[in-house]
Amino acid sequence: GAGVSQSPSNKVTEKGKDVELRCDPISGHTALYWYRQSLGQGLEFLIYFQGNSAPDKSGLPSDRFSAERTGGSVSTLTIQRTQQEDSAVYLCASSSSTAGYSNQPQHFGDGTRLSIL
Amino acid sequence: AQKVTQAQTEISVVEKEDVTLDCVYETRDTTYYLFWYKQPPSGELVFLIRRNSFDEQNEISGRYSWNFQKSTSSFNFTITASQVVDSAVYFCALTGTVSLGQGGKLIFGQGTELSVKP
Repeated sequence: GAGVSQSPSNKVTEKGKDVELRCDPISGHTALYWYRQSLGQGLEFLIYFQGNSAPDKSGLPSDRFSAERTGGSVSTLTIQRTQQEDSAVYLCASSSSTAGYSNQPQHFGDGTRLSIL
Repeated sequence: AQKVTQAQTEISVVEKEDVTLDCVYETRDTTYYLFWYKQPPSGELVFLIRRNSFDEQNEISGRYSWNFQKSTSSFNFTITASQVVDSAVYFCALTGTVSLGQGGKLIFGQGTELSVKP
């Protein structure tokens, strides 16, 4: 597609349930990023993929959070045993950046608004 | 450690006024990149500009201009003759060089909410 696509756009779930958030990056972009935006914490980096590998997972807040990327394209962010503090907008971005080259702009999707009841 | 500070939480102006959004950054990297993003009420983050640390030339794009000063670690953004459609939250962001282990993750400031009233 022309831009980064995320689904679902909204997700409401009960505390303790698992959720999966999906990101479809811009075609040809090898770099993919997940961020989280919440009122108290602003915009926070979660994880970075280059191809199917995740060399930087430093932003994942706990072991309940995991992500994978397959075929160098679609990525899924999974949150297990959700807690109320997981409520936030989860943003995905992609870019054409690769190691050793100048940082290209990251282009963002519309995000998934996650609400934990 | 890298850090971005946007001291102005909210700014309110009347249409046609000029407005400057401040951004101050901290980094130990000699090569780094600075960005501005716009987040309108619809929520999507829209890329506005990228600057690398070797290029201190100011840039103008229509009513938008950016002033990068390494001496003061600042990358300020000015909107000339503001319009209602400029109302949004604006984020300044910083990243280092992409390497095998570092993917160029963005470190964002807290954002400045700009309200342009007719």
